[in-house]
Amino acid sequence: KNQVEQSPQSLIILEGKNCTLQCNYTVSPFSNLRWYKQDTGRGPVSLTIMTFSENTKSNGRYTATLDADTKQSSLHITASQLSDSASYICVVSRVETSGSRLTFGEGTQLTVNP
Amino acid sequence: NAGVTQTPKFRILKIGQSMTLQCTQDMNHNYMYWYRQDPGMGLKLIYYSVGAGITDKGEVPNGYNVSRSTTEDFPLRLELAAPSQTSVYFCASSPERYNEQFFGPGTRLTVL
Repeated sequence: KNQVEQSPQSLIILEGKNCTLQCNYTVSPFSNLRWYKQDTGRGPVSLTIMTFSENTKSNGRYTATLDADTKQSSLHITASQLSDSASYICVVSRVETSGSRLTFGEGTQLTVNP
Repeated sequence: NAGVTQTPKFRILKIGQSMTLQCTQDMNHNYMYWYRQDPGMGLKLIYYSVGAGITDKGEVPNGYNVSRSTTEDFPLRLELAAPSQTSVYFCASSPERYNEQFFGPGTRLTVL
């Protein structure tokens, strides 16, 4: 079964601290993996997208890693800010004959406190 | 560019009523999608379209219908609303099949 599991379910950190969010997947055949940030009451916004051959990709203070062999990804946030408080969703794209079939994780709810 | 816009933002329906959720994108994207997001759950694909006149079912299509008469618009129709359709609905678009998807702000629907 094609699944995406994220951990932890929720996380509370202090402003300025670093954190790492995890994503494990069983989606096959794999096309790409994306991390989205979803602020409360808003639609998801893409942070990074990685294909099979990419191990690391950065977007400002966000760094995503991908290990396609173990089917694991992580999102590292450096020097967290209050505005980083959001749900972070791991999304894996599956190769299909038509359309783009995405499998969404349930998200990690990050709260950054002052 | 406005990106992906959705209307209405909020709606309360009674069981058995019908309504159409509107979605418009101004990025000339071929692909458009409708998702629902239940509390604490990942987004589920309802329907998608690969271009004007072409639509296909996603994971959870029952109780919904779509049409794609233009590149810009992709409305989602609920014919007989049920409490199980209480959810937040997101429309998204992408230029090609495996590209990044751009999401609208969502419609929060409650069926009582």
